[in-house]
Amino acid sequence: DGGITQSPKYLFRKEGQNVTLSCEQNLNHDAMYWYRQDPGQGLRLIYYSQIVNDFQKGDIAEGYSVSREKKESFPLTVTSAQKNPTAFYLCASSSGDRGQTEAFFGQGTRLTVV
Amino acid sequence: QKEVEQNSGPLSVPEGAIASLNCTYSDRGSQSFFWYRQYSGKSPELIMSIYSNGDKEDGRFTAQLNKASQYVSLLIRDSQPSDSATYLCAASTGSWGKLQFGAGTQVVVTP
Repeated sequence: DGGITQSPKYLFRKEGQNVTLSCEQNLNHDAMYWYRQDPGQGLRLIYYSQIVNDFQKGDIAEGYSVSREKKESFPLTVTSAQKNPTAFYLCASSSGDRGQTEAFFGQGTRLTVV
Repeated sequence: QKEVEQNSGPLSVPEGAIASLNCTYSDRGSQSFFWYRQYSGKSPELIMSIYSNGDKEDGRFTAQLNKASQYVSLLIRDSQPSDSATYLCAASTGSWGKLQFGAGTQVVVTP
C-alpha cells in the first residue's frame, strides 16, 4: 500500500529531553512537510523539504530540527528549546508536479510532555 | 501574515440537508485550494481540490472558487451522520504543496 507512515502514534517527552518523530513515504513524492496542530486550531507549518538534502523553515520552526537524507524519509526532532511541544504532529507529502499540489497526510503523532 | 479564514462553527445540519461551508483567503497569489475532512483525533483527509474559478463536483461534494472575491466554498449534499467532522480549507501559492490552513469548521449532522 502506498502511503505515509508516522511513528510512534503516541509519544511522551520529559522536560529537557529531545525526541524524534519518524515520517516515511513510499509515494515517490519529492516534497515533504511537518505541521503542528493544537486543539481547536488549524495546521501550522514547521518545516518543509522540496528535495533531498534541502529543507526550509516554516512559520513555527523554532525549537525543531529536521533532516532529509533520503527521499522517503523526513524525521522531525523536537528539541528541549521547544517550550510548549504538546501537540498533534502531522507529516505530509506532495508530488510537487505543476498543477498537482495536493498534500497527503500520515496518521499523526500525538506528543505529550510529562 | 497570509491567512485563510473559516467560521469555526459548529454548523448543525439536519440529515439529508445541504451543508454550506465558506472560506476566504488573503493572499492573491494563491493558486490552488483544497478541502480536507478531519475526524476527531485523526489526520486530515483530502476530499476536494479546485484550481480554477467555478464549480467542481465530486459525488455529494461541490467546491466553488471565486478568485476575484478570494472566496472558496464547499457544499455537502444529502448530509449524512458520517459527514460530522471538522472541515479544513487550505490554500497553496506554489507548486510544492506548501499549504496555509484555516482553523476549520466543525459540522454536526443530526439525525
